[in-house]
Amino acid sequence: AQKVTQAQTEISVVEKEDVTLDCVYETRDTTYYLFWYKQPPSGELVFLIRRNSFDEQNEISGRYSWNFQKSTSSFNFTITASQVVDSAVYFCALKGSGDQTGANNLFFGTGTRLTVIP
Amino acid sequence: DAGVIQSPRHEVTEMGQEVTLRCKPISGHDYLFWYRQTMMRGLELLIYFNNNVPIDDSGMPEDRFSAKMPNASFSTLKIQPSEPRDSAVYFCASSPHMAGGDTQYFGPGTRLTVL
Repeated sequence: AQKVTQAQTEISVVEKEDVTLDCVYETRDTTYYLFWYKQPPSGELVFLIRRNSFDEQNEISGRYSWNFQKSTSSFNFTITASQVVDSAVYFCALKGSGDQTGANNLFFGTGTRLTVIP
Repeated sequence: DAGVIQSPRHEVTEMGQEVTLRCKPISGHDYLFWYRQTMMRGLELLIYFNNNVPIDDSGMPEDRFSAKMPNASFSTLKIQPSEPRDSAVYFCASSPHMAGGDTQYFGPGTRLTVL
């Protein structure tokens, strides 16, 4: 079965601090894809990043960076020098290829609510 | 480019009434998804379409829910009759492909409140 665990329900940081959001996944598929989405207070779901299981290279986009480690089944998200506008709920999601499980839907974690205090 | 468009953004109705939610996917996307988000259950896939054909509706909670996609640019999710437990945010998403890891792009959602 596909599963995504975001153990941190809520995190609060003071502006300019760095923060890491954890994501642990489970799948039997040999090929799979991992995603992060942001849901700001306005409610929409904003796509942030997609990674393939065969590409473990970490990625940096401005203040955002992602650390993908297959050995620990983790895909963590770090925000450097956090800002108030980063306050949102962040969802990690997994999409298997179905090569082992037969399931290729998108499975979401329960989300981590990040509050950045000015 | 226009993203996924949903209407209405907010809907308040009374129990027993029919509710219709609307979605316009991103042009050129072959796949359309309907999700529901609640505090208790998080984000759940209700149904998805490929080229206007429903492929998997196993997430549709019960017969009161139905979804259609009459053409490539329009889909509806209907609840009849509505119940208070249907109160949730309903998202529509679209993607160019399903196989592989194509990204699903979400609309702004419809917040439904059933009194």
